[in-house]
Order: sequence, then structure tokens, then C-alpha cells
Amino acid sequence: GESVGLHLPTLSVQEGDNSIINCAYSNSASDYFIWYKQESGKGPQFIIDIRSNMDKRQGQRVTVLLNKTVKHLSLQIAATQPGDSAVYFCAENLNYGGSQGNLIFGKGTKLSVKP
Amino acid sequence: KAGVTQTPRYLIKTRGQQVTLSCSPISGHRSVSWYQQTPGQGLQFLFEYFSETQRNKGNFPGRFSGRQFSNSRSEMNVSTLELGDSALYLCASSSAKTGGPHEQFFGPGTRLTVL
Repeated sequence: GESVGLHLPTLSVQEGDNSIINCAYSNSASDYFIWYKQESGKGPQFIIDIRSNMDKRQGQRVTVLLNKTVKHLSLQIAATQPGDSAVYFCAENLNYGGSQGNLIFGKGTKLSVKP
Repeated sequence: KAGVTQTPRYLIKTRGQQVTLSCSPISGHRSVSWYQQTPGQGLQFLFEYFSETQRNKGNFPGRFSGRQFSNSRSEMNVSTLELGDSALYLCASSSAKTGGPHEQFFGPGTRLTVL
């Protein structure tokens, strides 16, 4: 089976609220994690990444938390907006010999923002 | 800077045919990865090319192949198409050379339908 998965397939939030999207991974050798956003008809768009030597990283309105002890990753979106409605994927990278083209993706969580 | 481009955007083929998809990475990017996206299996890694060499390969049958040219453009080929090959095929490029993961930028994908 896949080593990266998501706890919830769908998430519905009110505009202005904070959103939290969770992800579990099973490979302790993974050293790099990325969150992608995919809108209908488009390819995944990079949101934020984090390396395994960090436990938190912040971007614009987004924060990624990494808990290596329980192999858990989360994406927090502050003040969620209608434009945030999309499917969100977490992905992990197993850095075999320097090759970093192999991303393992979770199934995705569909975020719906109610106005 | 222009993003990752993929051609064609849509393709309809019949079982048994073969198909070639093309990807032009972001200028200066030498790493190109291919992914298959289906509703049932999600995003799955096919292969990665760097400097015209396949650097990493996912768990797909030999009907799936690819190559990279000296200008970093990449093609993937699927021979003897099956109904289950219907999917969105995504290409991603990265500026990383060796040692350590880097952000991958995705194209819009090619939607392949096999009848």
C-alpha cells in the first residue's frame, strides 16, 4: 500500500476560519515533505515544504508541522478563503542516492470553503 | 519564466495503440519526473530523468517508457494501451542537480482517454 495517507478525504470550513489538513506517512527514511494544492483541471501547485530536520515551517497564511515521532504531517491554513478550495496532497520524498524525483503522494483531501 | 508545458493536453486512443506525450521543463531545469494520476490510485510516480539518464523508476510495467533529450525536454511513451491507462499524466521539473530534494514544478498534465 501507499506509505502516505490522509485522515480525512473531505474537509468543509467556513470562510475566515482556520483549516487543518492532516497526513500520515509510514517511511521513517523520508527526509523531505511537500504540500501541494490542485485545482480542477490543473497540475499540483507547490504550497510549502519541510525537511526532516525541522518540525515547523511557516509561509504566507500556511504552516506545516512535522512530527517525526508519530510520522504525522499537517497543513494549517489561516483565514481560509474561497480561493483555497481545492484538493490538497501531502507528498514525501525518499532520497535514494541523491535522486529526489520520486515523490510519494497521499490520496488527497478536498477542502471546500463556504462563503 | 515560462512554466512546465505539456502537449497534447487531451488525447483519445483505442486499446492496443501506443501514445507519446511530451513535456518541456522550466528553462534551466534538468530534472524531469512523470506521474500518473487516477481517481482510484491517486498520484503515482512513473520515472525521473536527469541529464538524459533515467535516475529513478516507479512500479509500472515495461509498456511505460520515457526519454530525455539534451535540451531537457522529455517524452513518455505507453505501448499497447489498456483501458486502465486512462489517466492524467503529469510532468514535473526541478532545478536540483544532486544531493537533496528540491521543489518540483508541475505542468497542467495530459488527459489520456483509452476507449
